Order: sequence, then C-alpha cells, then structure tokens
Amino acid sequence: GEDVEQSLFLSVREGDSSVINCTYTDSSSTYLYWYKQEPGAGLQLLTYIFSNMDMKQDQRLTVLLNKKDKHLSLRIADTQTGDSAIYFCAERGFKTIFGAGTRLFVKA
Amino acid sequence: DTAVSQTPKYLVTQMGNDKSIKCEQNLGHDTMYWYKQDSKKFLKIMFSYNNKELIINETVPNRFSPKSPDKAHLNLHINSLELGDSAVYFCASSQDSEGQPQHFGDGTRLSIL
Repeated sequence: GEDVEQSLFLSVREGDSSVINCTYTDSSSTYLYWYKQEPGAGLQLLTYIFSNMDMKQDQRLTVLLNKKDKHLSLRIADTQTGDSAIYFCAERGFKTIFGAGTRLFVKA
Repeated sequence: DTAVSQTPKYLVTQMGNDKSIKCEQNLGHDTMYWYKQDSKKFLKIMFSYNNKELIINETVPNRFSPKSPDKAHLNLHINSLELGDSAVYFCASSQDSEGQPQHFGDGTRLSIL
C-alpha cells in the first residue's frame, strides 16, 4: 500500500539551513505537501508542489521533488527558534497519506 | 475568522460514554475530513465527505459515525468510548476531493478515563 517515510528527528543551529527529507511510494501521487505542527496546535499548510514540478520556492522555503526516486525535501533557510515544530510530509493519490513527522529542534 | 473550527477543544470522559465532536468550515470548501492523531503523532484518515456524501471510510470501528448535515459541517459521534480512543481528532477541509490542500482545525483532545 501507499507509504510515506521521513526521519523522526533533526537538530540544527539557529541561522543554519534545515533540510527535511521524505520518500513516498505512490507513483500516481498528484500533489505533495508539507505541513507544520506546533505543540498543542493543528497542522498548518506550509507549501505544496504539483507532481509535474521539480522545485518550488516560497521565501525561506524551498521544496525539491525527484519524481523518479519518489523523494521530496523541504529546505528552510536561516532557521529560527520559532521554526521548532513537527514537519509532516504528505502525498495525495486516492487519499492523502501522511508521514510520521520530523521533529525539528533549533538550538540558539 | 477561524477557517476550520471544531468543538470542544478538550473532552475528558469515562469509558462507555457516548460523545460528539463538531466541525464547521467557513471556507466554502466542498470536502471535509476527520483524522485521528495518536500519542506518537501518527496521523490517519478516518472519513471524508464531499458535498455531504461519504467518499472515504477507512477501517474504523462502527462505534464511530460521521454526519454531514451540509457541506460546511461534519460532526463525529462516538459510541461506547474505549481507552484506545484517546487521541487528538482533527477536522480538515479542502476545496475539492481531487488534491487541493487541506486546511486543519486545532484538534479535539479526547481523554478516556
């Protein structure tokens, strides 16, 4: 069945770039998403990319998609302490499948 | 101004009780969803409605029954609550069922005593 995998933890220093990686299995995925969840809150849509795109940039966020390898990444430039959260990768085939989330820790 | 709002935010109740969670969206979206997030933050879809019609019905116990009185509302009723139902339940909506991104509510934290 469909599966989305991402590493559970990432720790970076404030000001560095963060790169969160994700792999998925459904080759018929149409959309791929990145969501952010802060403690006690819901999921906030950060950005998304259509499957026929390779890259999307939005201010500090850069999404790269390698469709051949079914690999998606989210780069956060100049990471701030306020970026500490759980980041979920998700892919949309028939339904939306979420990864387990990457916990990003930003050290001051 | 809240786009997707769910009530209550917290729900603490005893095993065996019946409870409901309400969800409303003011985005004019056609599709709504219920997700369950467990203690390890794993998020799993439960149900999805498009224009009041059920389109996704995952393998969840029959004790869970969604109801969509109109396309702006999707409520979740849970009968005979069990300890394993303790989780955070998220409502979400999207413009359509074809892949437009989903917008989430803040969640309902359900604790079973």
